[in-house]
Amino acid sequence: QQQVKQSPQSLIVQKGGISIINCAYENTAFDYFPWYQQFPGKGPALLIAIRPDVSEKKEGRFTISFNKSAKQFSLHIMDSQPGDSATYFCAASSTDSWGKLQFGAGTQVVVTP
Amino acid sequence: ETGVTQTPRHLVMGMTNKKSLKCEQHLGHNAMYWYKQSAKKPLELMFVYNFKEQTENNSVPSRFSPECPNSSHLFLHLHTLQPEDSALYLCASSPNGGATDTQYFGPGTRLTVL
Repeated sequence: QQQVKQSPQSLIVQKGGISIINCAYENTAFDYFPWYQQFPGKGPALLIAIRPDVSEKKEGRFTISFNKSAKQFSLHIMDSQPGDSATYFCAASSTDSWGKLQFGAGTQVVVTP
Repeated sequence: ETGVTQTPRHLVMGMTNKKSLKCEQHLGHNAMYWYKQSAKKPLELMFVYNFKEQTENNSVPSRFSPECPNSSHLFLHLHTLQPEDSALYLCASSPNGGATDTQYFGPGTRLTVL
């Protein structure tokens, strides 16, 4: 079964707007939550990651919010730019899984000029 | 070349063909991965190699056969595939296969099975 559920499947946002992507998980052993960004014709690349000991992590215009009790985490893209148009994948893994990432199904983000 | 490279980038094969996908990483990493990416589905981990030893086979059909001759090269041998095997096959590497290691992906091989 899908261990990480991601929504929405796609979203369109105007330049300067906020993009929000949500992920939920069931496995309480998960303790590492990365987000990967994939442009057409390229492989995914790590964007930002969080551990459950913090509730928020910010890197530039990208912020992860983490809610351990709800088993949910989300990616916020502030001041979205056309160059942010890509597919975003959330993922999760546990310390004993040795790099075995469980990915969400992806969200295609389109930022209109 | 830098990063993770994959060849070929596109492959069309019949169901009775035998072909191989190649992955090479120039990052000095010790772990390598094969993933299958299908539209609107999560990336599916297929195989993991750590220090050339296979540590994960995620219930992948035997028509997919991996090979890791050294820590820089990874192959995926394909034979008697099915049309539903058509997908983007991604290779990745990470420093030591740890849970918090960043995985570095290649651009993928777009496979079409006729």
